[in-house]
Amino acid sequence: NAGVTQTPKFQVLKTGQSMTLQCAQDMNHNSMYWYRQDPGMGLRLIYYSASEGTTDKGEVPNGYNVSRLNKREFSLRLESAAPSQTSVYFCASSKAGVKDTQYFGPGTRLTVL
Amino acid sequence: QKEVEQNSGPLSVPEGAIASLNCTYSDRGSQSFFWYRQYSGKSPELIMFIYSNGDKEDGRFTAQLNKASQYVSLLIRDSQPSDSATYLCAVNPGGNNRLAFGKGNQVVVIP
Repeated sequence: NAGVTQTPKFQVLKTGQSMTLQCAQDMNHNSMYWYRQDPGMGLRLIYYSASEGTTDKGEVPNGYNVSRLNKREFSLRLESAAPSQTSVYFCASSKAGVKDTQYFGPGTRLTVL
Repeated sequence: QKEVEQNSGPLSVPEGAIASLNCTYSDRGSQSFFWYRQYSGKSPELIMFIYSNGDKEDGRFTAQLNKASQYVSLLIRDSQPSDSATYLCAVNPGGNNRLAFGKGNQVVVIP
């Protein structure tokens, strides 16, 4: 099992450009999440999908959109990138219950110039 | 008040000593508690979870939960240089399957 995979690993964008971060899991998990991690800020939830067909905003959703393409895949889109979106982005997945562990992908390091 | 707080500053411990990390949370209805380890440049990986009051041991790691005082702690016994990492406390406030993370504590084990 690959677990949670993310593409790309690194990306540099110019302000105003758009891009989509891809995430896939092969653990048959129902829930998927997108986080960003900034120095001194910890992990902050951007969006999550409790199950296929549903998405909800997290703590910092502004400037982002998501798509739960199917049970396996959950993508994060930046429509018009801003320097404030420079961060490391992690995708995670879990079964669904409140006691279920979240498993993280390797991350995407994004720089917006 | 932030949902999950971890005391600040890196923790330096000599090799073989006990490292003690603390975490407090604000939502009294929180149901599950997790400790993740994150090496520099890597993603978080789960090392412990605890749901009930008391202690839970797994190898050199012990998680302690006190729901009345709303804190959860992690002890690392016989600390090794490979334990040098940032440790993230995460809490499920209940009602959904979202996690709230603390900012993390950096642990440095000195050989």
